[in-house]
Amino acid sequence: GIQVEQSPPDLILQEGANSTLRCNFSDSVNNLQWFHQNPWGQLINLFYIPSGTKQNGRLSATTVATERYSLLYISSSQTTDSGVYFCAVGRWGGGADGLTFGKGTHLIIQP
Amino acid sequence: GAGVSQSPSNKVTEKGKDVELRCDPISGHTALYWYRQSLGQGLEFLIYFQGNSAPDKSGLPSDRFSAERTGGSVSTLTIQRTQQEDSAVYLCASSLDRGKTQYFGPGTRLLVL
Repeated sequence: GIQVEQSPPDLILQEGANSTLRCNFSDSVNNLQWFHQNPWGQLINLFYIPSGTKQNGRLSATTVATERYSLLYISSSQTTDSGVYFCAVGRWGGGADGLTFGKGTHLIIQP
Repeated sequence: GAGVSQSPSNKVTEKGKDVELRCDPISGHTALYWYRQSLGQGLEFLIYFQGNSAPDKSGLPSDRFSAERTGGSVSTLTIQRTQQEDSAVYLCASSLDRGKTQYFGPGTRLLVL
């Protein structure tokens, strides 16, 4: 199956800092999503981004499908950004409709 | 207009008992997924339903696990003869169509004693 590696595994930043989270995957995909899991365990979809660049407020993401990686940028971090960020990939129509998740990046934003 | 809902929120059971977990997807979503999250294995795909097609069961860990989706809406995940290693958070997600944005429910936390 498709392998997903996320880095860094842990990240501690001060409020206001910027960060870049990386996701590498081992095979071609046509489905890539970024999620934030808050301290209560709820998974929130941030981006559906199998290719290209998207922005939503302080967050943006870029996927370079040909090179098999995606980046999530968080600018001007706030304490509410703390939690675990997951990258998940799939290949719908190709026997991989279910998403394969990376192990996540655990982000802590300190006030 | 509500999101994905799951019940129960928490379930404690004894080893060897059967459990049923329920998922109500977002209205109109044709695709429904089950995942589980555990400390040791991370987030794992279990099963996928799309409309009235046969489900993709490729992620089910053993034949003790089964799921059904009635009327293209509500889904039930059943675990027979539960084992301690089944303890995990079971998450349900739905999407408007296959390959689209997935929206997750709050999960059911299962503890097998």
